[in-house]
Amino acid sequence: QVQLQESGPGLVKPSETLSLTCVVSGYSISSGSYWGWIRQPPGEGLEWIGHVYHFGTTDYNPSLKSRFTISVDTSKNQFSLKLSSVTAADTAVYYCARLNGEYMDVWGKGTTVTVSS
Amino acid sequence: QPVLTQSPSASASLGASVKFTCTLSSGHTNYAIAWHQQQPEKGPRFLMKLNSDGTHSRGDGIPDRFSGSTSGPERYLTISSLQSEDEGDYYCQTWGSGLLVFGGGTKLTVL
Repeated sequence: QVQLQESGPGLVKPSETLSLTCVVSGYSISSGSYWGWIRQPPGEGLEWIGHVYHFGTTDYNPSLKSRFTISVDTSKNQFSLKLSSVTAADTAVYYCARLNGEYMDVWGKGTTVTVSS
Repeated sequence: QPVLTQSPSASASLGASVKFTCTLSSGHTNYAIAWHQQQPEKGPRFLMKLNSDGTHSRGDGIPDRFSGSTSGPERYLTISSLQSEDEGDYYCQTWGSGLLVFGGGTKLTVL
């Protein structure tokens, strides 16, 4: 059974860089698939951030400013999200997911990120 | 880039059926979509992929109470024999030109 687990700092100060990791179990990232990040601000809907293919190519949501970087580490079977210059507007639950083609078929449980001084 | 439109809320009684609508924008009316469920205070769960011809494939462990159908630009999710645990938010999602898009979601209240 494929499982994804996000981890991160929980609280980040404005202007700092946020780093999140998603550990994949039950499936080898090297086998293929796209691996994505989605976020959900409090009380709002889902917003696709971007995704990475197992050999490193990426796509990002063009409506978001280019502050996001997604990378993959096949040796650790995990992938990561970095968000620079965070503001309060980046406060959200961040989810990682496996993409089966072009839709998410396995989701993580999410990690809450609060941006506050 | 496609745009997905969903009604913000729906309600139905325990044991009844409910039908959600997701409308694809002009120029994207033949796109496939996926439906995702988000129960309160939980992460989303993939329900099914729904093709433009109405065929659909459910995710692992999704009961056949959940079904999909299509009419023109509209994509439907029907839940029959409603249970209390069906309460939550339902999102449609599609893709185009390497980009992924979510609808705004429909909040289901089970009465």
